Amino acid sequence: QQPVQSPQAVILREGEDAVINCSSSKALYSVHWYRQKHGEAPVFLMILLKGGEQKGHEKISASFNEKKQQSSLYLTASQLSYSGTYFCGTGGSNYKLTFGKGTLLTVNP
Amino acid sequence: NAGVTQTPKFQVLKTGQSMTLQCAQDMNHEYMSWYRQDPGMGLRLIHYSVGAGITDQGEVPNGYNVSRSTTEDFPLRLLSAAPSQTSVYFCASSYRDRVFEQFFGPGTRLTVL
Repeated sequence: QQPVQSPQAVILREGEDAVINCSSSKALYSVHWYRQKHGEAPVFLMILLKGGEQKGHEKISASFNEKKQQSSLYLTASQLSYSGTYFCGTGGSNYKLTFGKGTLLTVNP
Repeated sequence: NAGVTQTPKFQVLKTGQSMTLQCAQDMNHEYMSWYRQDPGMGLRLIHYSVGAGITDQGEVPNGYNVSRSTTEDFPLRLLSAAPSQTSVYFCASSYRDRVFEQFFGPGTRLTVL
């Protein structure tokens, strides 16, 4: 079952912060995040495993709460280069990844 | 390393035609997969393979065939193209124990008229 992402789209000015949420109705054991810039292929950002783990990538970090079956991606002091569509995904243990529909992030000067 | 390569980049087909989308990787990855991306739908898994000679269906396999005769190549065949198969197709690969970290090819934009 496809995880649900919110919001669907967000527009920021450079330097502003944003949070993208990902939730699932099924039990989560891990959540992974990808970013796809316009016209390009998706690129892996990070994976979070159960245990309330937080990870960071540049100024992008994420948390995972397996009890609430959700993950959040935090983008702080956003840069123009952060623009793109962010996908969360679940699965992998059965070799099948399921991605959310994506959140379009636009960072303006 | 070239990473994951896909050909062609663009393709226009007529309804009922068949074609093969090519995918190759030079990272010695055991796992390879095909996704389609439609506006507002995210990435949906079509077929995947965990090694040469082994393939399995993903979420949306109907109308597509795959085979994996070598570790490097994983072609996707459209048997009889339909307008509903108009999409952007991505091939990806990873190590078998790191399926969450997939490396994607540049994509093939397919239009079926």
